[in-house]
Amino acid sequence: LAKTTQPISMDSYEGQEVNITCSHNNIATNDYITWYQQFPSQGPRFIIQGYKTKVTNEVASLFIPADRKSSTLSLPRVSLSDTAVYYCLVGVLSVAGGTSYGKLTFGQGTILTVHP
Amino acid sequence: KAGVTQTPRYLIKTRGQQVTLSCSPISGHRSVSWYQQTPGQGLQFLFEYFSETQRNKGNFPGRFSGRQFSNSRSEMNVSTLELGDSALYLCASSFPGEGSSEQYFGPGTRLTVT
Repeated sequence: LAKTTQPISMDSYEGQEVNITCSHNNIATNDYITWYQQFPSQGPRFIIQGYKTKVTNEVASLFIPADRKSSTLSLPRVSLSDTAVYYCLVGVLSVAGGTSYGKLTFGQGTILTVHP
Repeated sequence: KAGVTQTPRYLIKTRGQQVTLSCSPISGHRSVSWYQQTPGQGLQFLFEYFSETQRNKGNFPGRFSGRQFSNSRSEMNVSTLELGDSALYLCASSFPGEGSSEQYFGPGTRLTVT
């Protein structure tokens, strides 16, 4: 499985745009790039997923360059409630004939702290 | 649509005892995965069940086991508890679609072993 590298922590202020970059040099052809958010003592929450180029939903955007060796999660106008750990994952839950069923590999994540 | 539910939410056990945790996936989701989260090791995959069969297993000792019922509900069991088993145990469900990494996590069961 592809290993990911992301900053250990980031600080921001309310109303700013936050960009968290993740590098994944060994990404495989079948792999998707997925971001999860986790608050203390809660399960991770799916934020966004992409394969290439740009994906946008109601809470975030995901930018993936052509070589797919990195990705950037963009959170527009963060608020205090966005303070959480953000995980970048590379992989896919199920591959026909593969052994990755149901397994997500989480790294250490990025602790985002939003200040007033 | 109701989310993933886990029971109990909190549990205190004594070393050497066994424990059973329960997970009800989102309706229609047939894949259920279990994870252990500790401050030192982070989130680690335990195992995954689909259609009552274990399809994948992480690197945990045999004291950790699980099963899935015909209604997709799942249980995990830890026997002969050790202090190091204190953790947040998370269950996640997903629709068995190819090419996706979208899992829906429950709130977790906080297990404390004394």
